[in-house]
Amino acid sequence: QVTLKESGPALVKPTQTLTLTCTFSGFSLSTSAMRVSWIRQPPGKALEWLARIDWDDDKFYSTSLKTRLTISKDTSNTQVVLTMTNMDPVDTATYYCARLNYGLWYYFDYWGQGTLVTVSS
Amino acid sequence: QSVLTQPPSVSAAPGQKVTISCSGSSSNIGNNYVSWYQQLPGTAPKLLIYDNNKRPSGIPDGFSGSKSGTSATLGITGLQTGDEADYYCGTWDSSLSVWVFGGGTKLTVL
Repeated sequence: QVTLKESGPALVKPTQTLTLTCTFSGFSLSTSAMRVSWIRQPPGKALEWLARIDWDDDKFYSTSLKTRLTISKDTSNTQVVLTMTNMDPVDTATYYCARLNYGLWYYFDYWGQGTLVTVSS
Repeated sequence: QSVLTQPPSVSAAPGQKVTISCSGSSSNIGNNYVSWYQQLPGTAPKLLIYDNNKRPSGIPDGFSGSKSGTSATLGITGLQTGDEADYYCGTWDSSLSVWVFGGGTKLTVL
């Protein structure tokens, strides 16, 4: 059974760095073709993809946010960490991690429940 | 501004059919496969359709997907009030090496 769960601070101040952890079970990022992404959703708005990390440590970032984002995986290959620097109130959103699977093409087959991050002084 | 274009809202009566469109370009939808996600109020998105038209286990056959050129379509038949949700299309853009989502479509079952 695949599960993912996001954790991190609920409140950060402007200019601070946000660190979020995605802890998952039912698969390992050491297994070929496993991939995990972060996606966010501001209140009342659409989904926005942020970053992806692959089993072989390949990394991909949103074009508009790549200067502020870093994605990494831990040595146990059951956690993925996202850091976002210089947080601003517009970054207030629910942040999701999701497993990116591959059939004929990529798709997100399992999602975490999400964690709401509010940026405010 | 989302890379993929969806109508902001659609509506239909219970029992009826509705379609939701998703328009992109050759670097995303045109040369790749599309997936669709349902987001019920207050919950995380859930996979509905992948590889244009495949349903994961547990997704009713009232949900269907298709693709033609640079556009994709989600169809929902036998609408129920429980289908009221936001629906998103998405795909990996092979030219930009980023994932792209549509802006989402809010389905109202009248």
